[in-house]
Amino acid sequence: GQQVMQIPQYQHVQEGEDFTTYCNSSTTLSNIQWYKQRPGGHPVFLIQLVKSGEVKKQKRLTFQFGEAKKNSSLHITATQTTDVGTYFCAGRARRTYKYIFGTGTRLKVLA
Amino acid sequence: DAGVIQSPRHEVTEMGQEVTLRCKPISGHDYLFWYRQTMMRGLELLIYFNNNVPIDDSGMPEDRFSAKMPNASFSTLKIQPSEPRDSAVYFCASSLDSLMGTNEKLFFGSGTQLSVL
Repeated sequence: GQQVMQIPQYQHVQEGEDFTTYCNSSTTLSNIQWYKQRPGGHPVFLIQLVKSGEVKKQKRLTFQFGEAKKNSSLHITATQTTDVGTYFCAGRARRTYKYIFGTGTRLKVLA
Repeated sequence: DAGVIQSPRHEVTEMGQEVTLRCKPISGHDYLFWYRQTMMRGLELLIYFNNNVPIDDSGMPEDRFSAKMPNASFSTLKIQPSEPRDSAVYFCASSLDSLMGTNEKLFFGSGTQLSVL
């Protein structure tokens, strides 16, 4: 079945450093979404990418969808302590509404 | 809108007991998902509904798990009998189907922390 992997599993950065997490799907995706989950909280939607090669920005966050629509990345510039949490990608294959979540990357920001 | 509402927030039960988790999706949303989150297995999709009809239950672990959606504003996930390995956080999420799939964000509830002793 469809699998979605993320690397790295954990990342500790000093405040002000950049951070990137990578997401890879075993199957071609119709779209991909990114979510953030704070410790003890629930996943919160960040963004959706639909088109091959699409790049979207939200302030310090940059999201990219691969040309083959099988991989994606999230890059955070100049991390802040408020960026702490686990970042998940979630991919939907064609002809289904199943959103399969990646394994997640837990980000810790050291002040 | 109050968002997706789940109850109870915490459930502690003994092995062999029946557990029922409840979810009220956002009004007007036509998709409802049940996910389970553990450290070992991450966020697993158990089942999802469209317009109250179960579409894919391939993620349901075994026959001890069952889910229903009797109407557009209520869903349950039942475990009978419960086992310690069922301990996890169970999330319900809902979404609204959109033309061309351009805005299909999932809205998650706060989850139910289940502990089976």
